Amino acid sequence: GAVVSQHPSRVICKSGTSVKIECRSLDFQATTMFWYRQFPKQSLMLMATSNEGSKATYEQGVEKDKFLINHASLTLSTLTVTSAHPEDSSFYICSARYPNTGELFFGEGSRLTVL
Amino acid sequence: QQQVKQSPQSLIVQKGGIPIINCAYENTAFDYFPWYQQFPGKGPALLIAIRPDVSEKKEGRFTISFNKSAKQFSLHIMDSQPGDSATYFCAARVNQGGKLIFGQGTELSVKP
Repeated sequence: GAVVSQHPSRVICKSGTSVKIECRSLDFQATTMFWYRQFPKQSLMLMATSNEGSKATYEQGVEKDKFLINHASLTLSTLTVTSAHPEDSSFYICSARYPNTGELFFGEGSRLTVL
Repeated sequence: QQQVKQSPQSLIVQKGGIPIINCAYENTAFDYFPWYQQFPGKGPALLIAIRPDVSEKKEGRFTISFNKSAKQFSLHIMDSQPGDSATYFCAARVNQGGKLIFGQGTELSVKP
């Protein structure tokens, strides 16, 4: 299957700082990528849809000024958690839509811990 | 109406058993139903998917059964192995451009 890479896989930061997570589609171009958040033993909750060259579409209840999404190229989307707080600690997962089939391929996830 | 309800929440089977995980939905506009497998600390990986014009799909030891009239679909894992121990998520999507709606997940444990 197609490969989606996330970086970093783990990050620890201090409260009040900003953290950037990258999501890359390695062997295909993705006009659409999705960002999810997953708490322990829970399902994936969609945060936003990232469209190349345009503004992201956020799900209800997700603060767009806190979770900045940029999809500057067909292979890269970034999620920046601004002014992170301990409650933002979670597992963040991206997915990229494969062209033509529409299948979603997921990254390995990024574990964010805010101290 | 956008929900996908998954059960059971957890499941324990012996090696060689056939765990069955069930999902139900309300939105008849859903047209794509994938199943994902997730190991701890990893992202989900697509296992198998089905469209509503098919009642069953088999790939290796994994089979999806789909009942369009009942708006239900299920995953069967034949000859389950300890390596199959993971969390399984069903999902549904309205169209190729639509977002995936995930079920709540089922934590499967296969005992040796």
